[in-house]
Amino acid sequence: AQRVTQPEKLLSVFKGAPVELKCNYSYSGSPELFWYVQYSRQRLQLLLRHISRESIKGFTADLNKGETSFHLKKPFAQEEDSAMYYCALGGNTGKLIFGQGTTLQVKP
Amino acid sequence: GAVVSQHPSWVICKSGTSVKIECRSLDFQATTMFWYRQFPKQSLMLMATSNEGSKATYEQGVEKDKFLINHASLTLSTLTVTSAHPEDSSFYICSARAVLAKNIQYFGAGTRLSVL
Repeated sequence: AQRVTQPEKLLSVFKGAPVELKCNYSYSGSPELFWYVQYSRQRLQLLLRHISRESIKGFTADLNKGETSFHLKKPFAQEEDSAMYYCALGGNTGKLIFGQGTTLQVKP
Repeated sequence: GAVVSQHPSWVICKSGTSVKIECRSLDFQATTMFWYRQFPKQSLMLMATSNEGSKATYEQGVEKDKFLINHASLTLSTLTVTSAHPEDSSFYICSARAVLAKNIQYFGAGTRLSVL
């Protein structure tokens, strides 16, 4: 079964602290993994995709097929990073399966 | 960048009436659009996949006669909630996938539906 698990509903850190938002997936084929972010009162927007292997707003995520994980990391959190983060899995159908989301709260 | 417009952003209706929500891709052609439902503090639940010029594909448990989807052009898909009841009150979000952009979806801002 295809599934995305984000174990933490809420992650609270202080400004400048490292951040890691966890994401694990279950998929039998070749997955495509994404991180989407939703800032307060804004629409969902794409943050990262594993294929691009890029860093956006200081965030990176590496696909670990052995551990079936795609954790999102940032070495130094900023207050403007506070948002809801969704990990999503895309397969051959073009559909996206979303995790439950993690609220990141960066305190000053 | 790719912009998806969703209208209306908020609608209140009486029980038993129908409500239409529009989803438009403004600066790109979308062969496929998706409709999601989001309950408070929960994740997005895919309701259906809408392909231009063909019938929508509904996810298990979603009533196709209740949630009518039309995708008449490459830039417009509509979701009609028929005979709405209070339990249909929710946040509905559409997304659009550009041609050749396999799994990248661009999202609308969502529609808050309140059924009285």
